[in-house]
Amino acid sequence: DAKTTQPPSMDCAEGRAANLPCNHSTISGNEYVYWYRQIHSQGPQYIIHGLKNNETNEMASLIITEDRKSSTLILPHATLRDTAVYYCIGRGPGRRALTFGSGTRLQVQP
Amino acid sequence: ETGVTQTPRHLVMGMTNKKSLKCEQHLGHNAMYWYKQSAKKPLELMFVYSLEERVENNSVPSRFSPECPNSSHLFLHLHTLQPEDSALYLCASSQDILRPSNEKLFFGSGTQLSVL
Repeated sequence: DAKTTQPPSMDCAEGRAANLPCNHSTISGNEYVYWYRQIHSQGPQYIIHGLKNNETNEMASLIITEDRKSSTLILPHATLRDTAVYYCIGRGPGRRALTFGSGTRLQVQP
Repeated sequence: ETGVTQTPRHLVMGMTNKKSLKCEQHLGHNAMYWYKQSAKKPLELMFVYSLEERVENNSVPSRFSPECPNSSHLFLHLHTLQPEDSALYLCASSQDILRPSNEKLFFGSGTQLSVL
């Protein structure tokens, strides 16, 4: 699976868009990019995933660069309940399960 | 509510005790997982089961013994644990393990384990 790099922490004002970057420069052509988040002391929650095209669902949007070396998770209108650790994970067919890194701790400020 | 239920939510045990963690999923999934999360550390994958067969064991000490009697239930049997085993133990399930295009994990709320 591709190694991913994320900033350790970010702040965002409530009501503004939160843009969380992820670098995955070694990603291979058949590896998907998954995003999860973990609110304190709870299990991680699936947010979104994609391969090449940008994706959007009710929670967030995922923008993947054309060369697939990086991606950005966008929470369009951050709320206090979006304060969590966000994980970007590269997932290919070689492993049997997702491997989580250290993630980005997003703090939404009132 | 994720459809994955873990019990107990909290557990305190001595180093000589034997206890078991239970996980149940109501999603009709074929794969189940145990992850460990120590304080201020990333999640560590411990075990993976697919259709009740263990398919991955990530060098976990033998004092942790998993059991998957059917595709809906997963146990983690604990014995002679050490204080450094204190952590949040998370169970997850997914439809299967073979399709990276659709491998959403659904997590339980975890069991917070303290070993004294």
